[in-house]
Parts: sequence; structure tokens; C-alpha cells
Amino acid sequence: EPEVTQTPSHQVTQMGQEVILRCVPISNHLYFYWYRQILGQKVEFLVSFYNNEISEKSEIFDDQFSVERPDGSNFTLKIRSTKLEDSAMYFCASNSDSTDTQYFGPGTRLTVL
Amino acid sequence: QKEVEQDPGPLSVPEGAIVSLNCTYSNSAFQYFMWYRQYSRKGPELLMYTYSSGNKEDGRFTAQVDKSSKYISLFIRDSQPSDSATYLCAMGDNYGQNFVFGPGTRLSVLP
Repeated sequence: EPEVTQTPSHQVTQMGQEVILRCVPISNHLYFYWYRQILGQKVEFLVSFYNNEISEKSEIFDDQFSVERPDGSNFTLKIRSTKLEDSAMYFCASNSDSTDTQYFGPGTRLTVL
Repeated sequence: QKEVEQDPGPLSVPEGAIVSLNCTYSNSAFQYFMWYRQYSRKGPELLMYTYSSGNKEDGRFTAQVDKSSKYISLFIRDSQPSDSATYLCAMGDNYGQNFVFGPGTRLSVLP
């Protein structure tokens, strides 16, 4: 069964460093999303992406964040200068169209020291 | 008032019990309703989704939506220890877009 994959599973970085979280959505999907979940808290929407542009973003998704689909398979989330409060699980999700729900990847645990 | 609220749990039940998980919401624009299961340190896994008021059944799971009361439920029949997880409700006004999640209810099914 097709699935969303994410790498790395765990990323440790120093405060102020840039990180790139990678996702490979399900191959025929057209809509892509990033969510985050701070430990013990709820899943929060960050951004949605369709047709090579951001379609919606939350207040969390400030200028430190960016997304990119560099090729036909990868979807990345970049955090330019990480802060301690960026430590969380980051989930990528994708879906095919408006008749489909979102399928989540296993997440990347980001730890900012 | 938070946009989506969910029974906080944790909830512990014996194996075989019927489990009821509930969410309330305030945004009347929400039309699509999902239930996800999340095991520890894993991504949310879709269990059920619906867009209309009423009941939807899938195996041991039944999703119930009452749009007039802004209330949704997930029922699990004949609960199993493998059902032990955190259950997240999620909802949105445009399907496939910006879902709002509830905080989750942790369920433990004891053998």
C-alpha cells in the first residue's frame, strides 16, 4: 500500500541552525501539507501546498519557514534559524484531490538544543 | 472557546468494552470530520471520515456526526488491547485543506 515517507526520523540541531525536513508524498497526490505536534500537545497545521505554491498557511508558519517541491517526488520544509520552541514532531501529509482525505507520514522528531 | 474540544482522557476500559470518544466544535463552517488514531511517536492514521450528519460504520468503528449540536463521536465495539492509542478528531471546512485537530484522547484497553 502506498505511504508517505519522511526523513530523517530524528534530527538534532543547535539553536540558530538551518534544518531541512524531507517528505516523499504518495506518488499520485497533488496536495501536500506540513503539520507539527509539540510533545503532549495537539497536531497543528503549518502549511498546505498545491500546484507549486502555498495555498494556505497558519500563523505558526512565519518567515523562518519555507516549503519547496524541488522535484517530482520530494516535498521539503526548511526552518532557517531554529529556535528551542521549534522542537516538535513534524508530520507531512498528502492527498490526491477534494474527494480524498489526508494521509500522514510517520513524522520527523526535531530536537533543537 | 477553543475551536475543537475533545474529552481529555485518559480513558481505561476492559477488553471487549464499547468505547465512546467525543469532540465538540464551534465553527459551523466545518463540513468534513475525521477520526485519526495515533500510536506513540507515530503519525496519525486515518480511521474514518464523513461529511454528513448521521452514522457511518466500518467494522468495529462507528462515526457519528450531529452538525446541529456541533458534536461528533467515535464508537469502538469489542475493544481490543491493540486499540490502545491516542484518538484525534479533525475537521475542516474545505475537504483536503487545513484541518483543525482536537487535542486527542488517550485510550488504554486492558486485557
